[in-house]
Amino acid sequence: GAVVSQHPSRVICKSGTSVKIECRSLDFQATTMFWYRQFPKKSLMLMATSNEGSKATYEQGVEKDKFLINHASLTLSTLTVTSAHPEDSSFYICSARDTGFNSPLHFGNGTRLTVT
Amino acid sequence: QKEVEQNSGPLSVPEGAIASLNCTYSDRGSQSFFWYRQYSGKSPELIMSIYSNGDKEDGRFTAQLNKASQYVSLLIRDSQPSDSATYLCAVFSGTASKLTFGTGTRLQVTL
Repeated sequence: GAVVSQHPSRVICKSGTSVKIECRSLDFQATTMFWYRQFPKKSLMLMATSNEGSKATYEQGVEKDKFLINHASLTLSTLTVTSAHPEDSSFYICSARDTGFNSPLHFGNGTRLTVT
Repeated sequence: QKEVEQNSGPLSVPEGAIASLNCTYSDRGSQSFFWYRQYSGKSPELIMSIYSNGDKEDGRFTAQLNKASQYVSLLIRDSQPSDSATYLCAVFSGTASKLTFGTGTRLQVTL
């Protein structure tokens, strides 16, 4: 089955620093990847859709200058949380769809970000 | 009206019983339907996908789809404590070209 790898699984950083999260599709090419955020006991919230070779599409209310997304190849998308603050502490999850109509989303293992 | 609705639960069932999880969606143009399981602190994992009306069985899991009623459900037979998790219903709308998740139903299987 399709495998999505996400790294790091856990990161602690100081307020004001930037953190980069990588998402890779290991056995398929993903022209589109999706970045989600989840607070404890809350539902998944789509942040942005990452498109290979073009700009990401951000959901309403998500700051594109704060959450930088780069999708430079068909197997790699990155999310950079810039100038992180404690309120950015959350569980970030990437996902990708295999090619083919009706194919499901496969999720990475997620990154737990803690900003101190 | 939310695009994908689920009862948040918790739904509590005894071990060995059938757990029934329900989901309704608003977009009649939706074409693909998925059930994900999410354990606390983990990312969602795909359990079932269903695309046409009727039932689809995979082991202890059965997905049911009724497009006329805009309703999709997941049945878990012989529920086990390890099935305790949050179950997310996801609907792919071709018109919106994105997967929309419900808020999830928390299932508790008791001994």
